[in-house]
Amino acid sequence: NAGVTQTPKFQVLKTGQSMTLQCAQDMNHEYMSWYRQDPGMGLRLIHYSVGAGITDQGEVPNGYNVSRSTTEDFPLRLLSAAPSQTSVYFCASSYSGRPYEQYFGPGTRLTVT
Amino acid sequence: GNSVTQMEGPVTLSEEAFLTINCTYTATGYPSLFWYVQYPGEGLQLLLKATKADDKGSNKGFEATYRKETTSFHLEKGSVQVSDSAVYFCALAMDSNYQLIWGAGTKLIIKP
Repeated sequence: NAGVTQTPKFQVLKTGQSMTLQCAQDMNHEYMSWYRQDPGMGLRLIHYSVGAGITDQGEVPNGYNVSRSTTEDFPLRLLSAAPSQTSVYFCASSYSGRPYEQYFGPGTRLTVT
Repeated sequence: GNSVTQMEGPVTLSEEAFLTINCTYTATGYPSLFWYVQYPGEGLQLLLKATKADDKGSNKGFEATYRKETTSFHLEKGSVQVSDSAVYFCALAMDSNYQLIWGAGTKLIIKP
């Protein structure tokens, strides 16, 4: 099993550009989440999904869109990148029976200039 | 609202020293509590958990006890190794939603 995979590992964007961060898991997990990690702030939840076709907002959803058309994939779209979105982004997944025991991907380091 | 407070880092220790990383929480109700660890360049992974008061979670020589009276979940290890160098996150979850509330993380540096 590959677990949770994320691409790309690094990305540099200019202000106003858009892009999609990819996340996939091969564990048949129902729950998937996107977090951002900023120094001294722990992890903040951006969006999450409890199953294919179902998504909801987390703590910091503004500027991001998600969709969940399959169980395996949960892409995160930045609509118009801003310097405030410079961060490390983590995707995580878990079983519905143990939603808090999350498996994390290796992260994407995004810089917006 | 619900929140988690961790001791600020970095915490620097010598190999074989005793480790304590403090974590306290504020919650309305009875949360489940977790410690996650992030090794350099990797994503987070679950280290241990406790779901009710007085439960002790343990894994890889680490322990933490859910203390309702002091609203704490301190992480301890009797003898740390260089390979324990990482960032440790304390988190809580309420059954009313599916979201983890995270502490800011504590960086641990172990010197040989």
